[in-house]
Amino acid sequence: NAGVTQTPKFQVLKTGQSMTLQCAQDMNHNSMYWYRQDPGMGLRLIYYSASEGTTDKGEVPNGYNVSRLNKREFSLRLESAAPSQTSVYFCASSGNVTGTGRYNSPLHFGNGTRLTVT
Amino acid sequence: RKEVEQDPGPFNVPEGATVAFNCTYSNSASQSFFWYRQDCRKEPKLLMSVYSSGNEDGRFTAQLNRASQYISLLIRDSKLSDSATYLCVTMFSGGYNKLIFGAGTRLAVHP
Repeated sequence: NAGVTQTPKFQVLKTGQSMTLQCAQDMNHNSMYWYRQDPGMGLRLIYYSASEGTTDKGEVPNGYNVSRLNKREFSLRLESAAPSQTSVYFCASSGNVTGTGRYNSPLHFGNGTRLTVT
Repeated sequence: RKEVEQDPGPFNVPEGATVAFNCTYSNSASQSFFWYRQDCRKEPKLLMSVYSSGNEDGRFTAQLNRASQYISLLIRDSKLSDSATYLCVTMFSGGYNKLIFGAGTRLAVHP
């Protein structure tokens, strides 16, 4: 059981280049997320997909686009990379909310992508 | 003001010590609360959920105070392997699971 698989693990881009971060989960989760993590800050939500076929902006969506290709896959694209997008990116997935709102494990994270934009 | 605030630390403690972290949150609509653990250069992993009645998992105890809007994590008999960053997370549901992460508290346990 792989959980959440994210590729690549490391990437260096020049300003203006584009790239796509790939994410796939095998837990049959409905919801998928892209976060970025910067020093001294909590994880910040870039985009999320509550279910297959839907995507919505999170807290910091500017400069990014996403595609929910199917239930398993959720990709993040940087069309024109900027140094401010240097960060660690995490993909995550979660199951449905139960009636009590309780979870044993609300988010499963991928291993992360360390992106440097020069 | 950040929605979830934590003391960044580091908390430097000897093995066997008891250490406690607090976290405050500003959104009273928060419904669920969690502690995640993140090792250096790794992904966050769920440590434990935090229930209103308080809950314990081995050496770890989590408490929630809704009136004062804070949660706490107590670690007893610290081990070297407890060295990590502990993330406080709140959640409320609005069509999707909106989770707000604190920046984390770093714990370093030394021999």
